[in-house]
Amino acid sequence: AQKVTQAQTEISVVEKEDVTLDCVYETRDTTYYLFWYKQPPSGELVFLIRRNSFDEQNEISGRYSWNFQKSTSSFNFTITASQVVDSAVYFCALSGPYGQNFVFGPGTRLSVLP
Amino acid sequence: DTAVSQTPKYLVTQMGNDKSIKCEQNLGHDTMYWYKQDSKKFLKIMFSYNNKELIINETVPNRFSPKSPDKAHLNLHINSLELGDSAVYFCASSQDEFYGYTFGSGTRLTVV
Repeated sequence: AQKVTQAQTEISVVEKEDVTLDCVYETRDTTYYLFWYKQPPSGELVFLIRRNSFDEQNEISGRYSWNFQKSTSSFNFTITASQVVDSAVYFCALSGPYGQNFVFGPGTRLSVLP
Repeated sequence: DTAVSQTPKYLVTQMGNDKSIKCEQNLGHDTMYWYKQDSKKFLKIMFSYNNKELIINETVPNRFSPKSPDKAHLNLHINSLELGDSAVYFCASSQDEFYGYTFGSGTRLTVV
């Protein structure tokens, strides 16, 4: 069965600090997809990234970076020089090779204090 | 020009009532979904529709029924509302699940 664990329920940092959100997943599929979504206080869900299981290259997008480690079944998300606007709940998600069994993690609430 | 729009944004109703939440997407996506987010922020898929066919139906009470009049709409009907139905319901769409989903802004349902 697919499962996503985000062990950090809540994290608080001060603006400009770097912060890493952990995501550990379980799947029996050899091909799968991993995602990160952001849910700001306004409530909408914003898609951030999708990564397939064959692409272990780390990705950087501005202040955001993702570290995919297949050996440890982790897909961690780092925000560099955090800003107050980064305050949100962040969800890691996993799907099967054909998009089936899409599962969200429980989410990590990030608070960035000024 | 909202990509996925849900109405209403807030819905307060009494137990036992029947209510509907509407969802429309203008992205031309093939598949639409309903997710339920509980008070602990857990997101759980309820339904998905692809070309008017229900392709996922998790263990959701049959008081909940999705209705898709066309590819751009997936409405959620709920009969005999219960207190435990209080949650935020998200509509979403995707062209291809591999590329992630686009979510609506959510409907906060409160049953009193």
